[in-house]
Amino acid sequence: DVKVTQSSRYLVKRTGEKVFLECVQDMDHENMFWYRQDPGLGLRLIYFSYDVKMKEKGDIPEGYSVSREKKERFSLILESASTNQTSMYLCASSLYLGQPTSHYGYTFGSGTRLTVV
Amino acid sequence: DQQVKQNSPSLSVQEGRISILNCDYTNSMFDYFLWYKKYPAEGPTFLISISSIKDKNEDGRFTVFLNKSAKHLSLHIVPSQPGDSAVYFCAASAYTFGNEKLTFGTGTRLTIIP
Repeated sequence: DVKVTQSSRYLVKRTGEKVFLECVQDMDHENMFWYRQDPGLGLRLIYFSYDVKMKEKGDIPEGYSVSREKKERFSLILESASTNQTSMYLCASSLYLGQPTSHYGYTFGSGTRLTVV
Repeated sequence: DQQVKQNSPSLSVQEGRISILNCDYTNSMFDYFLWYKKYPAEGPTFLISISSIKDKNEDGRFTVFLNKSAKHLSLHIVPSQPGDSAVYFCAASAYTFGNEKLTFGTGTRLTIIP
């Protein structure tokens, strides 16, 4: 089974701190994604990456950056944490399928609940 | 602009009855639709998908129906069990330059009443 591991389940950080959220997958997936989940807003895509050193902005990239130096690791960086970044952060990975003939979805990690005080 | 909408934030169903979760979308370029289930403090897990060229896909107790003309899909769970209590997200897939992006709905919290 594919495993996506997020390094922390819970984090509490102060406003203005630089925050790193780490994600590692063990199945050689090309694609990796960072989402945040907020009540009433569902899952929103922050950044994604289709290959090492590649990154693409998602729907809500402001205040975030990412790093993908190795295929298995995708880091989300909050340059200067703010209270409106308090959220559940979810990392996901998937195989590159080209145009698939069937779809098996993304594999998600267990999430990191970040609280910024 | 919310391209994938789940208009019911919550739903309660008696154990053994049918649960029907609904989802609407606006982008006619979506080519796959997926349902995920999420328990508290866990990541979403993939449940079932359907291609835009089909109108039904079944997997055990779970069936997804797609009505392209109405831009509407639904997930049927029969019979509903207590372990089905979770938040359900629908998602839609679109390909741009050979790469895929999933857009999620806002979720529906399903509670199965014993």
